Amino acid sequence: SYELTQPPSVSVSPGQTASFTCSGDKLGDKYASWYQQKPGQSPVLVIYQDNKRPSGIPERFSGSNSGNTATLTISGTQAMDEADYYCQAWDSSTVVFGGGTKLTVL
Amino acid sequence: QVQLVQSGAEVKKPGASVKVSCKASGYTFTDYYMHWVRQAPGQGLEWMGRINPNSGGTNYAQKFQGRVTMTRDTSITTAYMELSRLRSDDTAVYHCARDTDGMDVWGQGTTVTVSS
Repeated sequence: SYELTQPPSVSVSPGQTASFTCSGDKLGDKYASWYQQKPGQSPVLVIYQDNKRPSGIPERFSGSNSGNTATLTISGTQAMDEADYYCQAWDSSTVVFGGGTKLTVL
Repeated sequence: QVQLVQSGAEVKKPGASVKVSCKASGYTFTDYYMHWVRQAPGQGLEWMGRINPNSGGTNYAQKFQGRVTMTRDTSITTAYMELSRLRSDDTAVYHCARDTDGMDVWGQGTTVTVSS
């Protein structure tokens, strides 16, 4: 079955750039989405179709996808961005989630 | 506004079944697929399957084939997810989520606890 691999954690200082990777076989041939989830809350879509932002998502969130890796980038990270981030893609009519990356804003 | 409101928490015994509902409002229910995603305590997101509210057609994750049934009632714009033969490792928060090129609206989650 298809797998998406994410590092378990990322740490950044406020104002710095946070980058999250998501790796999967030929992931660049699929669309990647990204979700933010804060403790006790439902996930929120922050990027879809590799690099599109839903309305209401700040411009500091951006995405890219090429080769075997999709990347979510948060520019000028704020304390409020501390959360778990999950990538997601489709494979043969099946949705696959990565294991998630915990962002700590130091 | 677009909203998905789920049914309340459930406590079930091993071997029982649970049926969770997801009431949609603020958009045309039959225009978008509905997914079901669960999250065990301290774990990541796990996709269970989806339903086309227009046709009733379903896709289930292989892991849940034979144990999960997704249905809908278009007259009350509600989707349902029923999981049978519950085990302790089915203890999780179950979410419905609307699909529009990404899961853009999520329900608040329904906690299902399986315990003897």
